[in-house]
Amino acid sequence: SSELTQDPAVSVALGQTVRITCQGDSLRSYYASWYQQKPGQAPVLVIYGKNNRPSGIPDRFSGSSSGNTASLTITGAQAEDEADYYCNSRDSSGNHLRVFGGGTKLTVL
Amino acid sequence: EVQLVESGGGLVQPGRSLRLSCAASGFTFDDYAMHWVRQAPGKGLEWVSGISWNSGSIGYADSVKGRFTISRDNAKNSLYLQMNSLRAEDTALYYCAKGSEAVAGTGDFDYWGQGTLVTVSS
Repeated sequence: SSELTQDPAVSVALGQTVRITCQGDSLRSYYASWYQQKPGQAPVLVIYGKNNRPSGIPDRFSGSSSGNTASLTITGAQAEDEADYYCNSRDSSGNHLRVFGGGTKLTVL
Repeated sequence: EVQLVESGGGLVQPGRSLRLSCAASGFTFDDYAMHWVRQAPGKGLEWVSGISWNSGSIGYADSVKGRFTISRDNAKNSLYLQMNSLRAEDTALYYCAKGSEAVAGTGDFDYWGQGTLVTVSS
């Protein structure tokens, strides 16, 4: 099965831009989706496909991909963006499998 | 409004079984794949299993393959996870998640329940 690798923790100053990355071989073939999880809450989908946001997700969230790396960018980070962020993609084996990255704890300073 | 409500969690001894259920509403259940995702205490998300709209394709994480069985009843708008031979490392909050497409291997998890806690301990 595939693996997706994320930095465990990232910090950003309030109002600045931050990029959270996700690396894995499967990302050469498939897009990643991104999920935000705040303490005590269920995850929420924030980015899917090439760079799509579900209804209700602020446009400061964007996604991109290059080679084996997918990125989630928050432009003008807000205090409420402090959360854990997880990437997910299809497993490169193609056996209907899915895989999550280990998650990135975002701190907004 | 999409709603996913999990049930069936609890305290169980190692080696025993447990069946989780997820009641879905607010969307056409048999149009979409469904998934189980778990989160051990203080840990990250782990995809457990997914099932396509018609149960025609099913996938399992290596960590549960051969012990867990996913199923769905489209007439009842319900998703299930039969968990056998439970281990301490299966202790987690189990989330039911709606797929954004009909097949389990594609799409995203666009709606999530609040989870049901499974604790495996003697």
